[in-house]
Amino acid sequence: EAGVAQSPRYKIIEKRQSVAFWCNPISGHATLYWYQQILGQGPKLLIQFQNNGVVDDSQLPKDRFSAERLKGVDSTLKIQPAKLEDSAVYLCASSFLTDGYTFGSGTRLTVV
Amino acid sequence: EDQVTQSPEALRLQEGESSSLNCSYTVSGLRGLFWYRQDPGKGPEFLFTLYSAGEEKEKERLKATLTKKESFLHITAPKPEDSATYLCAVHSSYNTDKLIFGTGTRLQVFP
Repeated sequence: EAGVAQSPRYKIIEKRQSVAFWCNPISGHATLYWYQQILGQGPKLLIQFQNNGVVDDSQLPKDRFSAERLKGVDSTLKIQPAKLEDSAVYLCASSFLTDGYTFGSGTRLTVV
Repeated sequence: EDQVTQSPEALRLQEGESSSLNCSYTVSGLRGLFWYRQDPGKGPEFLFTLYSAGEEKEKERLKATLTKKESFLHITAPKPEDSATYLCAVHSSYNTDKLIFGTGTRLQVFP
């Protein structure tokens, strides 16, 4: 079974620039999650999709973050404009049921 | 508010020196407690799910246990390749599918 694919692996941008991350979940997994992991902390949920629809985006800073999941498969997460405090690893995960999420390797974002 | 606290923050062990990691939780109805392993530069890797107090699960040198207030990850005779950050997370009835993570325990095992 192929894992959750994420790209890019690393990104360095200046503050106020925009950036986008891409995620391809495991085939057949209806639920897709984006988590933010700041250095030294545990992952924090940003947004959860069930197929095409958003289930939970209560912790997504909607003034600068946006996400979409096209056709219930791939997903993109965008930050515009980026702030220094957005420096983190952005993890995508998918699941078939609610147990045992599979995480991707993440995108490490550095905002300078 | 659902909360997960892990201790210690960091643990250094000699190869073969057994120990335990602690995960204390406060949730409005536990639906599941998860243990993940995270290596540097990688995403968390699923280890175990526990659902009810008294439940235990094992995998190689790792054994996870659950009580009504906390979970332990016991590491028996660890090897250097067990070095990683171990994350605990919970599903609660209030937060549906969202995982609430602790900050992790960074384990280093020296030969």
